[in-house]
Amino acid sequence: AQTVTQSQPEMSVQEAETVTLSCTYDTSESDYYLFWYKQPPSRQMILVIRQEAYKQQNATENRFSVNFQKAAKSFSLKISDSQLGDAAMYFCASTVNTGKLIFGQGTTLQVKP
Amino acid sequence: DAGVTQSPTHLIKTRGQHVTLRCSPISGHKSVSWYQQVLGQGPQFIFQYYEKEERGRGNFPDRFSARQFPNYSSELNVNALLLGDSALYLCASSSRLAPIPDTQYFGPGTRLTVL
Repeated sequence: AQTVTQSQPEMSVQEAETVTLSCTYDTSESDYYLFWYKQPPSRQMILVIRQEAYKQQNATENRFSVNFQKAAKSFSLKISDSQLGDAAMYFCASTVNTGKLIFGQGTTLQVKP
Repeated sequence: DAGVTQSPTHLIKTRGQHVTLRCSPISGHKSVSWYQQVLGQGPQFIFQYYEKEERGRGNFPDRFSARQFPNYSSELNVNALLLGDSALYLCASSSRLAPIPDTQYFGPGTRLTVL
């Protein structure tokens, strides 16, 4: 069975600084895909970044990057130059070839001006 | 381009009633998935449909049912509502499931309150 664990219920960061959100996962499959989604107060779930397990290179999307450690089953999200608009709940999620997403419990990120 | 749309936005029902939630996927997407998100928790998978066929079902009681129409829109039905069914119901669409599952894109959700 797939599991996703986010051990940080809340995090805070000063505007313009860098923050890292942690995520660990477990799966018996060799092909899987990992995601970070952002959910602001509007509750709309927005894709932040996607990582294919077969790719060794860490995914990057502008200020967002991941540190994918396959052996450790770790998938952390780094947000650089944090902005007030980054404040939201962040969910780590995984899927195998079924497409069914398994989500972690979420991390609430506060950005301080 | 229009994203995933869901209706209604908010809904208030009483225990024992039934409810129908609707979802329209992104144009060209053939798969729709439904998730339940209780306040303060991550979404839980309910159903997945692809090309009008059920491809996956989560650990939810038979009171929950869904279907997908020829235009790929979908309905989620919940019968005999319980207080514990109060949640945000999210719909997500994607273009394919295999061999490499496409990213799922979410709608704004329907907030269901059961009194």
